[in-house]
Parts: sequence; C-alpha cells; structure tokens
Amino acid sequence: SQELEQSPQSLIVQEGKNLTINCTSSKTLYGLYWYKQKYGEGLIFLMMLQKGGEEKSHEKITAKLDEKKQQSSLHITASQPSHAGIYLCGAGRRAGGTSYGKLTFGQGTILTVHP
Amino acid sequence: EPEVTQTPSHQVTQMGQEVILRCVPISNHLYFYWYRQILGQKVEFLVSFYNNEISEKSEIFDDQFSVERPDGSNFTLKIRSTKLEDSAMYFCAGRASYNSPLHFGNGTRLTVT
Repeated sequence: SQELEQSPQSLIVQEGKNLTINCTSSKTLYGLYWYKQKYGEGLIFLMMLQKGGEEKSHEKITAKLDEKKQQSSLHITASQPSHAGIYLCGAGRRAGGTSYGKLTFGQGTILTVHP
Repeated sequence: EPEVTQTPSHQVTQMGQEVILRCVPISNHLYFYWYRQILGQKVEFLVSFYNNEISEKSEIFDDQFSVERPDGSNFTLKIRSTKLEDSAMYFCAGRASYNSPLHFGNGTRLTVT
C-alpha cells in the first residue's frame, strides 16, 4: 500500500518568512492533493495536482508535483499568521486515466507563524 | 460557497450503542466518502459510495458499519455497536466527478465511553 511521508513534522516561522513542506510517496504519484486543517476541524481543499511537473498557485501558496522523485512540495511565500494550521497531503490512485477518491494521507505538518 | 455539512458536530455514546452520523453533500456531488481520524493519527479512508452502492471499502469498514443515502440528499454512516476504539473524528467528503477535488465536511467528533 502507498505511504506518504511529510517533512518537516512541524515548522515554526516568523511572519513574512517563506517556507516549504514536502510530501514523499513510497509509490508512483498519480494525483496529489493538499489540504489545510485547523485543529479539531475539517479539511480545507487547497490544490490538486494531477500531472508530473504540474505547478499550481493560489494566493501565496504554490504546489508542485515531481513524478520522478515521487514527491510534492508546498511553498508559502511571505507567511502570515492566517497560514497557521496543519497541512496534509493526500494521494489518490489512478488507473486508466481515472482518479479515485480513496486518498492516502500523510501525517501532516504543523505550521506555526509568529507575528 | 456551498459546503459539505455534517451533524452532529460532537456525539457522545456508550459502548455497544448504535450511532448514525449524518452528512449533507454539495448538491452536484455524485461520489461520497467517509474518512476518520483517530486523535493524533492520520486521516484514513473508510468507504466510497456511488450510484447508491458501495464502490470500495477499507478493512476498517467491517460489518458493524453501514452507509446509505436514503432520500437522495443525506448521506449517513451507521455504526451498529460502538466500541471504544471507534472514538475518532469522522469526515464526510464528496466530489462532483471522478477527477474533481474532494471536499470535506467539518467532521463529527465521536466519543465512545
């Protein structure tokens, strides 16, 4: 079965700093999702990457998918306290071009942003 | 923006009791899922549901669990006889098509005493 490992497990940064969170898969990545979770709450969808080399941005958050390295990275530029939370990567399975909703998740990266 | 809505937000039950967790998906969603997250652990897949039947389930989803969408709107997860280890946050999720993003609800925290 596929395993996802996120690094770092936790991150404390000063407001305004850039940061990167990595998600490495034990198997080929076909579809990769990034979510943000506040403690005890639901998962907020950030981005979905479906092709190797794909890069997407939303506001100050950019995510890339490197199929060869079986890895995705999430980069936040000029972090703000509102970025604080738990970032989760989730990988879907694809067969014949179809992506399924059975996602395997990483353990999460806890981000703290100090003002 | 439409959301996936789950009720209740918190449910406390005694071991051996039945619980029903409810979800109202976004109206254009066709694929539905339940996930759970035990405190301090990863989010894990339980079951997927499409066209009024289960399409896939994990080994966690044993005979004590069932899902249904009785009225075409609510999507429910039933646990027949709860165990202490069923205590977790349960998330409902949905998507409009097989390759569109998966949207999660805010979860129901189930505590079994």
